[in-house]
Amino acid sequence: NAGVTQTPKFQVLKTGQSMTLQCAQDMNHNSMYWYRQDPGMGLRLIYYSASEGTTDKGEVPNGYNVSRLNKREFSLRLESAAPSQTSVYFCATAFVSVEQPQHFGDGTRLSIL
Amino acid sequence: AQSVAQPEDQVNVAEGNPLTVKCTYSVSGNPYLFWYVQYPNRGLQFLLKYITGDNLVKGSYGFEAEFNKSQTSFHLKKPSALVSDSALYFCAVSKTNAGKSTFGDGTTLTVKP
Repeated sequence: NAGVTQTPKFQVLKTGQSMTLQCAQDMNHNSMYWYRQDPGMGLRLIYYSASEGTTDKGEVPNGYNVSRLNKREFSLRLESAAPSQTSVYFCATAFVSVEQPQHFGDGTRLSIL
Repeated sequence: AQSVAQPEDQVNVAEGNPLTVKCTYSVSGNPYLFWYVQYPNRGLQFLLKYITGDNLVKGSYGFEAEFNKSQTSFHLKKPSALVSDSALYFCAVSKTNAGKSTFGDGTTLTVKP
């Protein structure tokens, strides 16, 4: 998807390892989101950032931390990865904080052994 | 608590026929409702939203959705299905136009030539 870039696209970790998922957008959007998608389920919101300098917990924040580094970048960190965090992670953006996300990255497929 | 139900895991239609993908919701107060589409190995794409006003909402790619408050439903429709419409469709509900939305588990639409 043009506009929202996630890195890496794939990653395999061992239990207890840490890692940071990166998300960058070039659309000058104010709001950014991190979701996880598990098989047969819809997206669940992990954290979101309504604007630069603010972050809020979503539905499933435990085990994750986020940083809104600047307007363009919003990273998601797993401090001590667990098998239950095996999932596909999506970053999303919205132009303003009063909008639901409208642009999504192509996802990071994370496996934790 | 808010919730979304997509009662059909799979919907099959013939090309050229009308299609309907069902969604029912539960939320306190007035709902904000959204439809997204996901193609294989891609992020979600926003299709349309209902905030207020007209019960029939028109969106991208010829899709529309009908809000029915008495039945707490927001079904996605298209008058004439295309093979390229085959994808995974998600309905989502929120109490506001921003932040924490709840997604359904998704419905796989298959359009056969």
